[in-house]
Amino acid sequence: AQSVAQPEDQVNVAEGNPLTVKCTYSVSGNPYLFWYVQYPNRGLQFLLKYITGDNLVKGSYGFEAEFNKSQTSFHLKKPSALVSDSALYFCAVSYSGGYQKVTFGIGTKLQVIP
Amino acid sequence: NAGVTQTPKFRVLKTGQSMTLLCAQDMNHEYMYWYRQDPGMGLRLIHYSVGEGTTAKGEVPDGYNVSRLKKQNFLLGLESAAPSQTSVYFCASSYGGAYSYEQYFGPGTRLTVT
Repeated sequence: AQSVAQPEDQVNVAEGNPLTVKCTYSVSGNPYLFWYVQYPNRGLQFLLKYITGDNLVKGSYGFEAEFNKSQTSFHLKKPSALVSDSALYFCAVSYSGGYQKVTFGIGTKLQVIP
Repeated sequence: NAGVTQTPKFRVLKTGQSMTLLCAQDMNHEYMYWYRQDPGMGLRLIHYSVGEGTTAKGEVPDGYNVSRLKKQNFLLGLESAAPSQTSVYFCASSYGGAYSYEQYFGPGTRLTVT
């Protein structure tokens, strides 16, 4: 079984401040973790993924995420938020042996305030 | 490169009517997926295909059928629409299995069943 939780429905941050969008997961094997972003009336876009290797993963648009095995977390971060980062962010989890099953979180709305 | 395209963008159906959603990708991806997105529930996998001529059930397949006659196209059919099928439908494709490869999403089809 696998599951993913995004504990915050919405995150508000001032432009220029660092941002964090939280994600925790549960899988029965080694996790594969993803972040996607969805802008209004658009499909999801891939940001970054963790499969193996360094715990700090760098992705598109200056985003990064840190894999923490002990806390089963994969939080999305950015050092300096832009107004254009305002969107819906989805964390997703799968695992080695999980074949096509990818479980998406319910999404966190990020609002960057000018 | 158009990426992943979906037609139509919007559709309103009456209960009991049928329709087909078309997804096309020009990235030569083997894997294709159909998801539905509902408020507070994230994305849920309806059906998927691991190659031309193959299809398989996902998490919520009831009431839907799919076909993958050509590698670049993946069709989703609703045989007898129900109000519970009101949703936003996303098609996605990936080079390899979605459990480890990033997915590329289409812009979505907003379906309302009255």
